[in-house]
Amino acid sequence: EAGVAQSPRYKIIEKRQSVAFWCNPISGHATLYWYQQILGQGPKLLIQFQNNGVVDDSQLPKDRFSAERLKGVDSTLKIQPAKLEDSAVYLCASSLVTGRTYEQYFGPGTRLTVT
Amino acid sequence: ILNVEQSPQSLHVQEGDSTNFTCSFPSSNFYALHWYRWETAKSPEALFVMTLNGDEKKKGRISATLNTKEGYSYLYIKGSQPEDSATYLCAFHPNAGNNRKLIWGLGTSLAVNP
Repeated sequence: EAGVAQSPRYKIIEKRQSVAFWCNPISGHATLYWYQQILGQGPKLLIQFQNNGVVDDSQLPKDRFSAERLKGVDSTLKIQPAKLEDSAVYLCASSLVTGRTYEQYFGPGTRLTVT
Repeated sequence: ILNVEQSPQSLHVQEGDSTNFTCSFPSSNFYALHWYRWETAKSPEALFVMTLNGDEKKKGRISATLNTKEGYSYLYIKGSQPEDSATYLCAFHPNAGNNRKLIWGLGTSLAVNP
């Protein structure tokens, strides 16, 4: 079974520039998550999709971050414009809707550095 | 505010040592407790998902216990090896509706010296 794919793996941009990350979840996983993990902190959920609908985006800074999952499969997360404090690892994860434990499967992450 | 705490924050051990760390979580509205291992430059990997009070789970040299009444879980590594070096994250899964968003600890960073 193929895992969660993310690209790019690394990205360096200057502040005020834009950046986009892509995620392809495990086939058949209806739920997709984007996390932000800043060095020294636990992962912070930015947005959760169920198919192509948003379940939770309460911690997404909507003035600069946006995400979509138009066909209920792959997803993109965009930051526009980036700030220095956006430097972090952006993790995508997916899980089955059914099943009691909602175990999440993670991609390798995108390490973003904003200079 | 739901809070998940992990201790210690970091740990350095010698190869062959056994070690353990703690995850503390709210004792009410418990649904599940997840343990993940995150090696540098790799994807976080699920180790255990624990749902029942008194649960003990084992995978090779790694095991975990769960006490939902007092709100803690221990992760044990027996005979640590350099490849065990990673950050170990726990996440609390509250029983709150269908969303059940995971609440993450900050992790315990383990370094095993050969």
